[in-house]
Amino acid sequence: DIQMTQSPASLSASLGETVSIECLASEDIYNNLAWYQQKPGKSPQLLIYYASSLQDGVPSRFSGSGSGTQYSLKINSLESEDAATYFCLQDSEYPWTFGGGTKLELK
Amino acid sequence: QVTLKESGPGILQPSQTLSLTCTFSGFSLSTYGMGVGWIRQPSGKGLEWLANIWWDDDKYYNPSLKNRLTISKDTSNNQAFLKITNVDTADTATYYCARIPLLPVPLYWYFDFWGPGTMVTVSS
Repeated sequence: DIQMTQSPASLSASLGETVSIECLASEDIYNNLAWYQQKPGKSPQLLIYYASSLQDGVPSRFSGSGSGTQYSLKINSLESEDAATYFCLQDSEYPWTFGGGTKLELK
Repeated sequence: QVTLKESGPGILQPSQTLSLTCTFSGFSLSTYGMGVGWIRQPSGKGLEWLANIWWDDDKYYNPSLKNRLTISKDTSNNQAFLKITNVDTADTATYYCARIPLLPVPLYWYFDFWGPGTMVTVSS
């Protein structure tokens, strides 16, 4: 199985700041990576697919990058609504596997 | 507009079989390249992929659940199903279904729309 190591597990940032979340795959996943945002009591919402493609309707302050085994989600100019948990998903190879999640708190 | 909604028993006892239904609209599981997947999340924990079913009835399962999973579909009624046999307390979780569309170039599949989830508790 491909292991997805997501970091940090949690972070605290201020409104207007820029943050990055990383996912490290245990082997090359060829950009087959998606990022999701989940708020308490809600289902995950797709932000980024194929490593860097922005899902329709997602604000442009979200961006994804990376290749091979290393991928990142960047959120520019944090807004209060960005407080959530973020997950990565590799769908390069079965079984599909998720990162452990990053809880983003706004100061 | 794509929507999905999961339904299940709410609570069941250890050793029973869990039956889940995903009822969806806004797409068809008979469309080339389309799929539906099941994912679960214990309270306060991470996400675990369980199974996918495809337009051509191809199926993939998470081997960590060994042979306990069965996924199926009813294309005419826009539904997908998941059965988990011999449940125990470790199967207590919120269960989600999600659509898997095809991105033709490059060839890529991913979960885009998710249902709100259904909570399942296994308890004696």
